[in-house]
Amino acid sequence: ILNVEQSPQSLHVQEGDSTNFTCSFPSSNFYALHWYRWETAKSPEALFVMTLNGDEKKKGRISATLNTKEGYSYLYIKGSQPEDSATYLCAFRGRGQNFVFGPGTRLSVLP
Amino acid sequence: DTGVSQDPRHKITKRGQNVTFRCDPISEHNRLYWYRQTLGQGPEFLTYFQNEAQLEKSRLLSDRFSAERPKGSFSTLEIQRTEQGDSAMYLCASSNLGTEETQYFGPGTRLLVL
Repeated sequence: ILNVEQSPQSLHVQEGDSTNFTCSFPSSNFYALHWYRWETAKSPEALFVMTLNGDEKKKGRISATLNTKEGYSYLYIKGSQPEDSATYLCAFRGRGQNFVFGPGTRLSVLP
Repeated sequence: DTGVSQDPRHKITKRGQNVTFRCDPISEHNRLYWYRQTLGQGPEFLTYFQNEAQLEKSRLLSDRFSAERPKGSFSTLEIQRTEQGDSAMYLCASSNLGTEETQYFGPGTRLLVL
């Protein structure tokens, strides 16, 4: 059974703080790594799909990096806003395999 | 197209009853996935379809669970003889096959088995 871990489990930050989370996944048979944002009472929303070692992707104040050799990805949020409050999920996909999700990092941004 | 929809959004049932959930994917998507999510965990893969063909089913999935996608469009997930352990959020997602396959999720059906 593939193990995908995320840390921290939850995080409280003040508005304006920058923050980052980690997703750890198997370093072998890598195919893709996905990041999702899941706000309460809404559908999970795709943020990034990362496929190449060293990938860096950015969407507004959110960015992500990927290291497939050591099996981790970082998600960064610059200048957190209350609307960034959500659970951030990563999903690992091995070649020929389906998606395995981590347990998520729950972010609360306090005004 | 307004995205992936699921019906119902909430379901409360008594242990032993059968329940059926529906998912309507984004119309041009050929893949459809079902996941189950419980508190403190990420979505857990249950099964997926490519068009009308069910290509994979989780080994963890009980025989009480069955899914169909009869015309390659909407899908149903049925749970027979529900148990309290079936209480969870059931998520549906659709996508198109490709290297950067992005899944688009529905809002989920929250099931409570009493």
